[in-house]
Order: sequence, then structure tokens, then C-alpha cells
Amino acid sequence: DIVMTQSPDSLAVSLGERATINCKSSQSVLYSYNNKNYLAWYQQKPGQPPKLLISWASTRESGVPDRFSGSESGTDFTLTISSLQAEDVAVYYCHQYYTTPWTFGQGTKVEIK
Amino acid sequence: EVQLVESGGGLVQTGRSLRLSCAASGLTFSNTWMSWVRQAAGKGLEWVGLIKRKADGGTTHYAAPVNGRFSISRDDATNTLYLHMNGLKTEDTAVYYCAAGATGFDHWGQGTLVTVSS
Repeated sequence: DIVMTQSPDSLAVSLGERATINCKSSQSVLYSYNNKNYLAWYQQKPGQPPKLLISWASTRESGVPDRFSGSESGTDFTLTISSLQAEDVAVYYCHQYYTTPWTFGQGTKVEIK
Repeated sequence: EVQLVESGGGLVQTGRSLRLSCAASGLTFSNTWMSWVRQAAGKGLEWVGLIKRKADGGTTHYAAPVNGRFSISRDDATNTLYLHMNGLKTEDTAVYYCAAGATGFDHWGQGTLVTVSS
């Protein structure tokens, strides 16, 4: 199984500052035939289901603010919130859909400092 | 607007069975891979399993903790996804979400709570 390990488990960031969440996969999630990483990021606010923010490691979903961005380097993936807003307080999860069993990271809780 | 509405959750004793349903609307259900994802209280997300669209074989895949106990089926005529749960254990207690998508879950239901008690 592919293990997804996020870091940190939680972080507190001042409003307007940058938040960076890391996710490392235990093996590659890159399909060579299309050169795409099968990696998504979700945001989950309390009492709500998760919301898809980014797919293919760096493709922002329609309607997602451009302060959210995703990047990759090998098996290391990063979700960046460039300027944290109050409404961004949530738990963020990475998810690989490269191969079953599909797996999630353990989540990173983002709070306001 | 896409809507996924789960139902069928509740309190059940260990060893018993339960069937969850997910009614879908606003999407071409028959053309969509569907999954179940669960979340225990205060914990992270856990993928339970998926069923591919019939054009991709309609095959199912499951996470190890539920393999052999749970099964997923779909009725494309009624746009309904099912999760058949047998031999329930206390560790199956969670909110169960249905989720749509093959390349990330574009849409999620609100979830239905399953509580397994001994």
C-alpha cells in the first residue's frame, strides 16, 4: 500500500502569512504515460465533508481561490496557502489515487496564530 | 447542482449487517466512479472502497480492513450507490461518505453515521 505522510500535524499561521503543508508518498504516484502525479488535496472544515481543492498535484479546481497552490518534487508534494484567511481554518488532506487501495494522509490542522 | 445523499446509518450491534445507500443527482452517475470514505470521530479520512463505471468493467476494490466483509454495488437505473456491510465491528463506527470521482473526489455527500456497539 502507498503510505501518505503529512507534515506537520498542525500549524498556526498569522492572518495574511503563508501556510505550507507537506505530503510524502512512500512510492511514486507518477504515471509515466501521461507524466501526471495522481495526487489530490482536500480541505475539511468542522462538520462538513471534505472539499476538493487540487487534483493532479497542482491543478486547482474551479472556484478555488488562487491563494491555494500545489507543487511536487518526486514523491514530495506541497500545498501552499499564500496568504492565510480566516476562512482557511480547516484540516487539509492529501490523497493518492494512483493505485488501490487509495490512501489519504493523516491530515494537517491549520489554525490562526 | 450535484447532490449525493447518504442514508441507512444507525446503531447496530457487533456482528450484524447494515446497508447504506447514496442517492445521486446532477451528474451522469453511470459514467462516474463512486467510492465510500469513512471518518471516525476526531480522526482522519479512510478510503473504504470503490466501484468503477460499467464502461471500465464495473469492478470493485476495497481497503484491507473491510475486504471480505463489505461490498459495494450500484444501480445505474436509479442513480444509487450501496455499501453492504456485514460482520460489523466496533472499529467500523464512523461517518460514511459517498464520494464521486476517479481522479480526486469532486463531490461528496454529507455523510451518514454508523455506530457499532457491543
